[in-house]
Amino acid sequence: DAGVTQSPTHLIKTRGQQVTLRCSPKSGHDTVSWYQQALGQGPQFIFQYYEEEERQRGNFPDRFSGHQFPNYSSELNVNALLLGDSALYLCASRKRQGANTEAFFGQGTRLTVV
Amino acid sequence: LAKTTQPISMDSYEGQEVNITCSHNNIATNDYITWYQQFPSQGPRFIIQGYKTKVTNEVASLFIPADRKSSTLSLPRVSLSDTAVYYCLVGDMDTGFQKLVFGTGTRLLVSP
Repeated sequence: DAGVTQSPTHLIKTRGQQVTLRCSPKSGHDTVSWYQQALGQGPQFIFQYYEEEERQRGNFPDRFSGHQFPNYSSELNVNALLLGDSALYLCASRKRQGANTEAFFGQGTRLTVV
Repeated sequence: LAKTTQPISMDSYEGQEVNITCSHNNIATNDYITWYQQFPSQGPRFIIQGYKTKVTNEVASLFIPADRKSSTLSLPRVSLSDTAVYYCLVGDMDTGFQKLVFGTGTRLLVSP
């Protein structure tokens, strides 16, 4: 079982550009969430997808958008990048129902905006 | 969502038992307590989860008093590889669309 996989692992973008991050959930998981983790801080919830729809959203601007595909994989898109968007972006997956519904996290994508 | 308070940092030595206490005074009836471990530049890893009394697995124990306003993560005989940030989270695990709310965590440093 490959667990949660994210790509790319590292990314450098210029202010104002757009970026797309990708996540493949753990096998058997149907719900994907995205988190932003600034240096020295805990992860902050961005949004969650289930059945290809955004189900919950944290306090992030509309520049942050996402998508979930029929195979449960997901993308996080960030438009008009700001320097403050530099962070580790984490994807977490879980089963929405049933036993052992704890969230599993990927290794993250380190985004640097210059 | 219940707010959690935990120590910013703790120091220990190899072979010692480490207890990290988390305060969650506003915990709701349906809330569970979950602990995650995070190494630098990696995603958080689930350690243990409980609702009341004591839960034990192969890596840790979780002690929850009757009033559930606090909880203690116990790591037996820590090693250097247990140096990490530990997060205490409180939330309704029965909710299908669960949102994890992380604080700043406790940085545990294990020395030889």
